[in-house]
Amino acid sequence: GAGVSQSPSNKVTEKGKDVELRCDPISGHTALYWYRQSLGQGLEFLIYFQGNSAPDKSGLPSDRFSAERTGGSVSTLTIQRTQQEDSAVYLCASSTRDRTYEQYFGPGTRLTVT
Amino acid sequence: AQSVTQLDSHVSVSEGTPVLLRCNYSSSYSPSLFWYVQHPNKGLQLLLKYTSAATLVKGINGFEAEFKKSETSFHLTKPSAHMSDAAEYFCVVLGGGTSYGKLTFGQGTILTVHP
Repeated sequence: GAGVSQSPSNKVTEKGKDVELRCDPISGHTALYWYRQSLGQGLEFLIYFQGNSAPDKSGLPSDRFSAERTGGSVSTLTIQRTQQEDSAVYLCASSTRDRTYEQYFGPGTRLTVT
Repeated sequence: AQSVTQLDSHVSVSEGTPVLLRCNYSSSYSPSLFWYVQHPNKGLQLLLKYTSAATLVKGINGFEAEFKKSETSFHLTKPSAHMSDAAEYFCVVLGGGTSYGKLTFGQGTILTVHP
């Protein structure tokens, strides 16, 4: 079956611009996660959606970062006024409600801020 | 709070020799621990999981890991390395309580396998 998909696969943007990254989770997965993978920082948790509950935003690094999940499926991560330190691979994952440890990851979006 | 520390950033082995990737954890409660693998230009994949059942857990591709509470360790092993094992491996702990559902990743260990 289809796995987690992310788009775009690569994004180059100028400092100060806004970007939107999209994630399509596996159908039927109620939990969706965003992580960031960058050199020197490893893999960092950003935000976690579980069903209709309020998301856990505790990992978002600043108020320039936000995410939403529409209809319990597709999610969009938005970064406003991008900075060079935002350059990283942004990974999305999804899981079922009762097996949150078994997260299925998408291929990621590589963001480069010039 | 829980965390994991991978003791080696790089491990290099010859094909056919044993693999040992080391991971120590810190947790205020009984942890759920995992190993994920990331092959070049591919997504992260769950390799194996420990969720308080048997302390020796087996995963895919011949890997296994042993949970040792007395040593707070969860080292990953494989008896005989294959070229296809070359990848980056992450030791991971699952959050509980207010951190439920969040995975905390170690810094990763890059495994190189020489012919």
